[in-house]
Amino acid sequence: DGGITQSPKYLFRKEGQNVTLSCEQNLNHDAMYWYRQDPGQGLRLIYYSQIVNDFQKGDIAEGYSVSREKKESFPLTVTSAQKNPTAFYLCASSISVGQNYEQYFGPGTRLTVT
Amino acid sequence: GENVEQHPSTLSVQEGDSAVIKCTYSDSASNYFPWYKQELGKRPQLIIDIRSNVGEKKDQRIAVTLNKTAKHFSLHITETQPEDSAVYFCAASPTGRRALTFGSGTRLQVQP
Repeated sequence: DGGITQSPKYLFRKEGQNVTLSCEQNLNHDAMYWYRQDPGQGLRLIYYSQIVNDFQKGDIAEGYSVSREKKESFPLTVTSAQKNPTAFYLCASSISVGQNYEQYFGPGTRLTVT
Repeated sequence: GENVEQHPSTLSVQEGDSAVIKCTYSDSASNYFPWYKQELGKRPQLIIDIRSNVGEKKDQRIAVTLNKTAKHFSLHITETQPEDSAVYFCAASPTGRRALTFGSGTRLQVQP
């Protein structure tokens, strides 16, 4: 299960607080991604990054922010502006963005906001 | 952007039967279609993929077919086993440097 890690596995926060989810990879991949998984809705793309210091919004970026200061790391901040933050968050990486490249997923972080 | 629809959302089969999961996509320029399997409590993992210059691809008990004209592709699992029970996601990759678009998933349950 090595290669791409996420921490923590479970995270609890009070409403109105920002929270940052960690994602680290040692696969030397240029591309990294954040997905949100809700029951019955599959994997929805939040943000992705093709290279260090560059990132693009996905389909549901509102209320989230990211940074890509290092190739190995792509942290996701869930801000208080995200209306329904409770979800399972998956990080992934691939050699590059685009066709034909397998995405490797981390184990996920389950965030609960009350 | 790309839109991927996946059916059915749940599928229950008897051990040894075949299972078929279907996906449609909207962007005719998409040309890469992977399938991921997510077992309970685990991360999604790629099980098979197909590119638009191929109509069918097989890997042991699993196969994927692609109909570019109709813009749909399907996953076929033969001789199902209890360990095939999982959630399966299809995805499509449009041209250019853009990320995959995933379907909503199919929960497959293989009854022993």
